[in-house]
Amino acid sequence: SAVISQKPSRDICQRGTSLTIQCQVDSQVTMMFWYRQQPGQSLTLIATANQGSEATYESGFVIDKFPISRPNLTFSTLTVSNMSPEDSSIYLCSVVGQGRGPYEQYFGPGTRLTVT
Amino acid sequence: DAKTTQPNSMESNEEEPVHLPCNHSTISGTDYIHWYRQLPSQGPEYVIHGLTSNVNNRMASLAIAEDRKSSTLILHRATLRDAAVYYCILKEAQKLVFGQGTRLTINP
Repeated sequence: SAVISQKPSRDICQRGTSLTIQCQVDSQVTMMFWYRQQPGQSLTLIATANQGSEATYESGFVIDKFPISRPNLTFSTLTVSNMSPEDSSIYLCSVVGQGRGPYEQYFGPGTRLTVT
Repeated sequence: DAKTTQPNSMESNEEEPVHLPCNHSTISGTDYIHWYRQLPSQGPEYVIHGLTSNVNNRMASLAIAEDRKSSTLILHRATLRDAAVYYCILKEAQKLVFGQGTRLTINP
């Protein structure tokens, strides 16, 4: 298994500012994912972050808005830039467990962001 | 990405079995069927997964149709703690793409 922590757990930010969310894993993992969950909605994949390479973004998400860093195998950050109220969501970090086959994916507790 | 179809909501009583259906008619031969659930105010957690054969673990059972176009997650004896949104996901490669899921309500 993998234990994931995120900082901050929640924040209230003003529009036009940026927030960086940290994701720390208790073991080394190859692949990390960032998801967004808008109020009352399901999860939407933002990007996949592999150590040593640029993040791969899903359709509708761009690096200028959601820059991601992955400096090592246990840590990643997601920045939400130039925020607007539409960015108010829960942002979740996720990792794939180690092993072969279609192994489990683990999720952090999420960062609840409110943009005013 | 392959798609799944689930009922928006279901309701059951405590200590009774629950059968959560999922249709995935466009499944390919390499897609694994995964189930995750999201308890209130928490991130999703893994429940079970399978490819062709029925699977059992301590949390649930997964029954997969012979043609693999549908599956059913079975909670054998629901508790109040099982109230959550359950997601049926076809996983190809490493990405989990979530649908809307089924919101399960458990009545005491």
